[in-house]
Amino acid sequence: AQKITQTQPGMFVQEKEAVTLDCTYDTSDPSYGLFWYKQPSSGEMIFLIYQGSYDQQNATEGRYSLNFQKARKSANLVISASQLGDSAMYFCAMSPSYNTDKLIFGTGTRLQVFP
Amino acid sequence: EAGVAQSPRYKIIEKRQSVAFWCNPISGHATLYWYQQILGQGPKLLIQFQNNGVVDDSQLPKDRFSAERLKGVDSTLKIQPAKLEDSAVYLCASSLGQLSANYGYTFGSGTRLTVV
Repeated sequence: AQKITQTQPGMFVQEKEAVTLDCTYDTSDPSYGLFWYKQPSSGEMIFLIYQGSYDQQNATEGRYSLNFQKARKSANLVISASQLGDSAMYFCAMSPSYNTDKLIFGTGTRLQVFP
Repeated sequence: EAGVAQSPRYKIIEKRQSVAFWCNPISGHATLYWYQQILGQGPKLLIQFQNNGVVDDSQLPKDRFSAERLKGVDSTLKIQPAKLEDSAVYLCASSLGQLSANYGYTFGSGTRLTVV
């Protein structure tokens, strides 16, 4: 069965510093997608970045990059130059091959950025 | 473009009562999802519609939960009768269709249900 594990319940980072949020996944499928979403206190889920299992290069979107290590089954999110507005819950998710539009989420990491 | 609209924003009911949530997806989005997010957990897919047909409802507790998407647009999710463990945020999301989720769903702000 597919599973996402996020082992960091909470993280603190100083403004303008970089931070890495950990995510490991478990699947026997050769084809899958990996996602990161941000959930501010307002509640909506905001899509940040996507990595396909066959993608050779790590995905990047502005200040977000995904450190994809396929052999280790990890998909860590790196946020560079943290901003106060980055304070939120961050969820790692995976789409299985049997339903590429379904997302299986981890338990999330709460990131707090301080001045 | 307008986002995914959900109502109500909050709902408090007693156990064994019934409740319904409404979702209006982004115009033109063929796929609509309902996720349940229990406090301290990540969202879990309850049901996925492609137009007005069900694609995946494997984790929907069908003895008490039901959902419909009339005319392939708006959707309602109903719980009858509610249990204490149904207390959660119910998130609706939409996407253009298959594989477009790679570009990210668009989620609504959710309905926070408290069952007392």
